Amino acid sequence: QVQLVESGGGVVQPGRSLRLSCVASGFTFSSYGMHWVRQAPGKGLEWVAVIWSDGSNEYYPDSVKGRFTISRDNSKNTLYLQMNSLRVEDTAVYYCARDRSPSFAYIDYWGQGTLVTVSS
Amino acid sequence: QSALTQPASVSGSPGQSITISCTGTYRDIGYYNYVSWFQQYPGKAPKLLIYEVSNRPSGVSNRFSGSKSDKTASLTISGLQAEDEADYYCTSYTRSTTLVFGGGTKLTVL
Repeated sequence: QVQLVESGGGVVQPGRSLRLSCVASGFTFSSYGMHWVRQAPGKGLEWVAVIWSDGSNEYYPDSVKGRFTISRDNSKNTLYLQMNSLRVEDTAVYYCARDRSPSFAYIDYWGQGTLVTVSS
Repeated sequence: QSALTQPASVSGSPGQSITISCTGTYRDIGYYNYVSWFQQYPGKAPKLLIYEVSNRPSGVSNRFSGSKSDKTASLTISGLQAEDEADYYCTSYTRSTTLVFGGGTKLTVL
């Protein structure tokens, strides 16, 4: 079965960096696009990034563009999110999620999430 | 990239049907059929209920159905059950090659 396990969350000061990882299993990782989605405490879902199955394309919303970078290592079945210049408003549970297609169509599976807290 | 508009809350009694609306623009819901719906329980990851407007993944109850008209998508839950009490989110692909979510709707089963 599809499994996505995130790690790397924690407490970090504003302006610092953090890298999240997501290890995938139960499917052919290199055949699917992958997303990061976040959820601030008590708030709704916010899409953060997508990367094509072969890593050839990445897209971001304006709220994180230029600060966050999504990447993947298909040889390790691992997705990453490099977060730089973190702000208090980036505090959220970060979910790794699989796209149904090699590029960008819709999300079908989610991980359990990892909590990132940005605080001084 | 404004969020899609959903009602903050809806409620219904067991056995009834409820509908949650999700309104977007001609750059997202009105342009594509890539509308999905997710169910989320407190402290849990979201679960896919509906994809491509009206398709159900295997294992999802046929009490859940989706539709779309112009810029508005809808999720209908029939035969409401206590276990349906959760948060529901719509989402759509956009012409900017981004994904946009609705603000979420809290369903209360009375």
